[in-house]
Amino acid sequence: EVQLVETGGGLIQPGGSLRLSCAASGFTVSSNYMSWVRQAPGKGLEWVSVVYSGFTTYYADSVKGRFTISRDSSKNTLHLQMNSLRAEDTAVYYCARGIAVAVDSYYFDFWGQGTLVTVSS
Amino acid sequence: DIQMTQSPSSLSASVGDRVTITCRASQSIASYLNWYQQKPGKAPRLLIHAASSLQSGVPSRFSGSGSGTDFTLTISTLQPEDFATYYCQQSYSTPPTFGGGTKVGIK
Repeated sequence: EVQLVETGGGLIQPGGSLRLSCAASGFTVSSNYMSWVRQAPGKGLEWVSVVYSGFTTYYADSVKGRFTISRDSSKNTLHLQMNSLRAEDTAVYYCARGIAVAVDSYYFDFWGQGTLVTVSS
Repeated sequence: DIQMTQSPSSLSASVGDRVTITCRASQSIASYLNWYQQKPGKAPRLLIHAASSLQSGVPSRFSGSGSGTDFTLTISTLQPEDFATYYCQQSYSTPPTFGGGTKVGIK
């Protein structure tokens, strides 16, 4: 059974750093496209970042240069290092498995339950 | 980036109703269109990919159609568990982008 479990969220001051983790089971993270998608309170879904089954990574313009996506194959885990956090980064962060239909084309078939990041002083 | 526009943003319906939600892309995306359902406090759930392919385990009352720029999600006979918010997402190009959502509420 495919399962994704996010951890690492919490309350952090503006300018601070946080590292999110997403532990996967039932499939191999390094063999799949893996993404982070966030949802601000009461708002819609916003894609944040993706790592392909190779090592290619992409970021939304809103987080580029501040966030880093990575994976630990030995632990079958996806990470999101978030630096220089801003109030507008406050959201529930979901990890999701991507199904590639072409090189830069994918949709999300499994999602974790999400972890809340609150950036506030 | 490709902009996705959903309409309506919300609707009220009764159990047994036929419900249609539309999604429009700012440029042609062929059939690279996916639909998700999200209930309060829960993660999104994939319903349909490639505009009309039903994800495994999703009830057949859900269907999708369209290509190019205009797409629809139809719930043929609304059930109590279908009251939720629905999002479209284009997978034609990076970055993947979502519509603003359509909340289906109880009339």
